[in-house]
Amino acid sequence: ILNVEQSPQSLHVQEGDSTNFTCSFPSSNFYALHWYRWETAKSPEALFVMTLNGDEKKKGRISATLNTKEGYSYLYIKGSQPEDSATYLCAFRDKLTFGKGTLLTVNP
Amino acid sequence: SQTIHQWPATLVQPVGSPLSLECTVEGTSNPNLYWYRQAAGRGLQLLFYSVGIGQISSEVPQNLSASRPQDRQFILSSKKLLLSDSGFYLCAWSRGSWYQETQYFGPGTRLLVL
Repeated sequence: ILNVEQSPQSLHVQEGDSTNFTCSFPSSNFYALHWYRWETAKSPEALFVMTLNGDEKKKGRISATLNTKEGYSYLYIKGSQPEDSATYLCAFRDKLTFGKGTLLTVNP
Repeated sequence: SQTIHQWPATLVQPVGSPLSLECTVEGTSNPNLYWYRQAAGRGLQLLFYSVGIGQISSEVPQNLSASRPQDRQFILSSKKLLLSDSGFYLCAWSRGSWYQETQYFGPGTRLLVL
């Protein structure tokens, strides 16, 4: 059983704050690391697919980095907005194994 | 554009009753299809995936089964539900190179077994 751990489990920030959270995964048999955003009452939505050690991806105010040698990825949100409130999931490939997610709440 | 449908949206079933959840994808052909479950307090767990009609891979031993009678239809079934089958069931599809493929999720079915 693969262990994909996300921390923290939940996070409350104020509007305008920048924040980051972590996904850790096994460093062996790495193929890809996926990040998804899951808003309440909606379906999970893909943010990034990362495959190479040192990868950095960016989409607007959200960015992610990948370290496959030590088995972690960081997701950063710059200048958080209330609409960023969601659960952020990472998933590790070989088989797509999801972490439990980080629930982000951005207070206006 | 591609869309993915799941029904029903919510379901309350007694223990021991059968189950059939349906997922259909529009706007693409020969997709990879997946069933996930999120039980209370747990992460998304892959239950089944299918790379083609009649081809089903099971990820965890369980009380459930899956079938793919048509290219864009994926069905999750049970003959007798258990309390532990309660959860949120998501169907997803993908295309592209296997490990880089992005998965696109349906709206989900919330199942409560009483």
